[in-house]
Amino acid sequence: DAGVIQSPRHEVTEMGQEVTLRCKPISGHDYLFWYRQTMMRGLELLIYFNNNVPIDDSGMPEDRFSAKMPNASFSTLKIQPSEPRDSAVYFCASSLPRPFEVPADEQFFGPGTRLTVL
Amino acid sequence: GENVEQHPSTLSVQEGDSAVIKCTYSDSASNYFPWYKQELGKRPQLIIDIRSNVGEKKDQRIAVTLNKTAKHFSLHITETQPEDSAVYFCAANGGDRGSTLGRLYFGRGTQLTVWP
Repeated sequence: DAGVIQSPRHEVTEMGQEVTLRCKPISGHDYLFWYRQTMMRGLELLIYFNNNVPIDDSGMPEDRFSAKMPNASFSTLKIQPSEPRDSAVYFCASSLPRPFEVPADEQFFGPGTRLTVL
Repeated sequence: GENVEQHPSTLSVQEGDSAVIKCTYSDSASNYFPWYKQELGKRPQLIIDIRSNVGEKKDQRIAVTLNKTAKHFSLHITETQPEDSAVYFCAANGGDRGSTLGRLYFGRGTQLTVWP
């Protein structure tokens, strides 16, 4: 398996523009997580899905952020309109459900998208 | 929900010395405690984990200990090497049931620097 795939790897945009980040989880993983990482706030959970259904979106900063998971192999995180304070690295991660004997809570991270909003 | 605190935020050691990073958690339902290593510009990657039915786990130069009563767990790295330099995150899960099933709660991270 190629692991969790994210695109783009780098995104530079201007304030006010729409940004869409994409994620393909590991095949067979039922949980998908979106994190944001900054020096100031560390690794923050934005939202996570189980079987394509959003379970907890309390970490989404505000209405400018939205996330979807239309099927088991694809998710998007959209920021509209983007602001300079949204600059961060955004990670997608996935994990297996139980009762598989692999440590089911282990999360596998994608390479991240480095977003810069000017 | 669960609250994970991690100390210290930065740690500098000489090559060959040991390094210890400590975390505490608040929810007694948590039963899975992973440690992730994140090298500069890379993704966090699991290096070791422990479940609540075990008190200690070791893998070569790294070990993790868990004290369920006190709700704290620690990462120990022995014979440190410059390539151990990275940010280390501890985490705790949300237990086996309820709305937190499946998620991890991360500490703020420890920047470990190993000087040659």
